[in-house]
Amino acid sequence: AQSVTQLGSHVSVSEGALVLLRCNYSSSVPPYLFWYVQYPNQGLQLLLKYTSAATLVKGINGFEAEFKKSETSFHLTKPSAHMSDAAEYFCAQVLYNFNKFYFGSGTKLNVKP
Amino acid sequence: DGGITQSPKYLFRKEGQNVTLSCEQNLNHDAMYWYRQDPGQGLRLIYYSQIVNDFQKGDIAEGYSVSREKKESFPLTVTSAQKNPTAFYLCASRRRGGGYTFGSGTRLTVV
Repeated sequence: AQSVTQLGSHVSVSEGALVLLRCNYSSSVPPYLFWYVQYPNQGLQLLLKYTSAATLVKGINGFEAEFKKSETSFHLTKPSAHMSDAAEYFCAQVLYNFNKFYFGSGTKLNVKP
Repeated sequence: DGGITQSPKYLFRKEGQNVTLSCEQNLNHDAMYWYRQDPGQGLRLIYYSQIVNDFQKGDIAEGYSVSREKKESFPLTVTSAQKNPTAFYLCASRRRGGGYTFGSGTRLTVV
């Protein structure tokens, strides 16, 4: 069965510090992987996606993620946090021949001044 | 601009009432989805539709119903059989091989 695990429901960093949000997937074949961001009372916005091309994927707002098959991970990083990055982040996976996405439970990022 | 429109943004329902949440897209996407979001639980799939006049149950379909009479529209009805309907509901669409595009959500509250 497919599943996505996000470690840490809440992460707090200082402005300017490194952001690291963890995501591990469970799939017997390489999935497509996505990171979405959600601001309060809004829908989800795509940050970046991995579709079996380059393992290091760059997204919007300075975020990037690296696909590591050996670790079944797809962690999201940003070198320097900004106050506007405070939001909830969701990792998701889908197999290429399936139509359903599987979402992690989300990680709320708090950025301290 | 293309996108997904969900309406209303806020909806209040009395116990025992059915309510319908609207979802319209002009992206020409074949697939559409309804998710329910509760705090700390991420997104849970209610129903999805890959083509017009066809839809499948997701993980938590009990107490909900949908229709897909037009490619652009995928309304969700929350019936009185849904015992705990208070939640944030998100509609999404997807083109083949692509990621989701989400609407801005409807917050349903039972009063």
